[in-house]
Formats: sequence, structure tokens, C-alpha cells
Amino acid sequence: NAGVMQNPRHLVRRRGQEARLRCSPMKGHSHVYWYRQLPEEGLKFMVYLQKENIIDESGMPKERFSAEFPKEGPSILRIQQVVRGDSAAYFCASGPMNTEAFFGQGTRLTVV
Amino acid sequence: GENVEQHPSTLSVQEGDSAVIKCTYSDSASNYFPWYKQELGKRPQLIIDIRSNVGEKKDQRIAVTLNKTAKHFSLHITETQPEDSAVYFCAAGKGNTPLVFGKGTRLSVIA
Repeated sequence: NAGVMQNPRHLVRRRGQEARLRCSPMKGHSHVYWYRQLPEEGLKFMVYLQKENIIDESGMPKERFSAEFPKEGPSILRIQQVVRGDSAAYFCASGPMNTEAFFGQGTRLTVV
Repeated sequence: GENVEQHPSTLSVQEGDSAVIKCTYSDSASNYFPWYKQELGKRPQLIIDIRSNVGEKKDQRIAVTLNKTAKHFSLHITETQPEDSAVYFCAAGKGNTPLVFGKGTRLSVIA
């Protein structure tokens, strides 16, 4: 069991470019959660997805951010036209959340 | 929605002493309270959790207590060691909804 896999581990983008972050949940898990962690801060919920469905996107900014979890393949968090304030660690977790939620290693996005 | 407050934000203790971190939550329907440890540059990892039908749970040097009436729960680490130094997060959840995390406590254990 490879656990929750995220890639890339580190991503550098120039302002205005697009960032694509990928997450493959643990085998047998169909729920994926994305969290953002700003430097020296906690984990802020962004979006909760099941296969082909967005269940809760209340934590995701309305503009530039989108997420999907297709029937086949990993979940993707997309940030369009990145700005410096998007620099953060983005963690994916697979659940269910009311037992041990397993986190991936995270993608550290740096916008230059 | 749920709101989780965590205190203190930083905590320094001498090696061998105890450390206590406290959290409060707002949603009385929350019934699952995990604690995560995050070392620098690494992923958060579950260290202990408690459900609302239990008041206390212990695992070696780590214990968690829950007061449902007051809506607060605490993490206790006894006989602290330098390797306990990390950021600790509490969280609250219910069902399959996303966990809501506190802002974290940076624990430093001084040898």
C-alpha cells in the first residue's frame, strides 16, 4: 500500500502561470480532501471530492482555483494565474475522515 | 460551521517535563477528535484520537482527554523528549465531513 501520493513535491511557477497539483488516494479510498498550509500556519480545508463529484468546496477561493477527481486517474488541484500569495504547501488526504485520515507528503508551491 | 481554537501557539518545556495543549470546538455534533504531529517539512501524522463516547485515552506517554459538556479536549505528553519537538494540531470532525484543524502549537523540548 503506497499511501497517499502527491506530485510534484516541489513546484515553482512564475506569476501568471498555471499550477497543477496531483493526488492519488490510498487504495480503496474514494474520498479526497485538499488542504492548504501557509508558512507557520495551520491546515485550511479547501475542497472535498469523491470520484466525479465535488462534495464540499466551501474552503476554495471562488476564482482561479478548481479541483477535480475523475473516474480514472488522480485528483487534480488547479490554480490558474498564480500570484505570490498562492505560495504554500498543499496537502491532500484520503479518508474516511472519521478514522485516520492519511495525508500525502504535500506539494510545496513557490510563486516567483 | 465548526471552529477549533488551539492554545498555546508555542510551548517550550524542559526535557522530562510534561506538555499540555488545549483545544476548544464549537459544533456540539462533532464526535471525532484527532491530534496530528507535523515535523518540519513533513506531512501531518496522526498520533492519537478520541471519540465523543470516551473521556480519556492513553498511549504510552501520550494521553488525550475530552470534556463534551465544555467542548474542549487536551493533549498531554509526559516525560518529553527532544524528538517530541514538532508542531501539533488538534482537529474536530463528524461523519465523513472534512476535519477542521486548530492553528497548531509549536512544541520545543529543551535538552
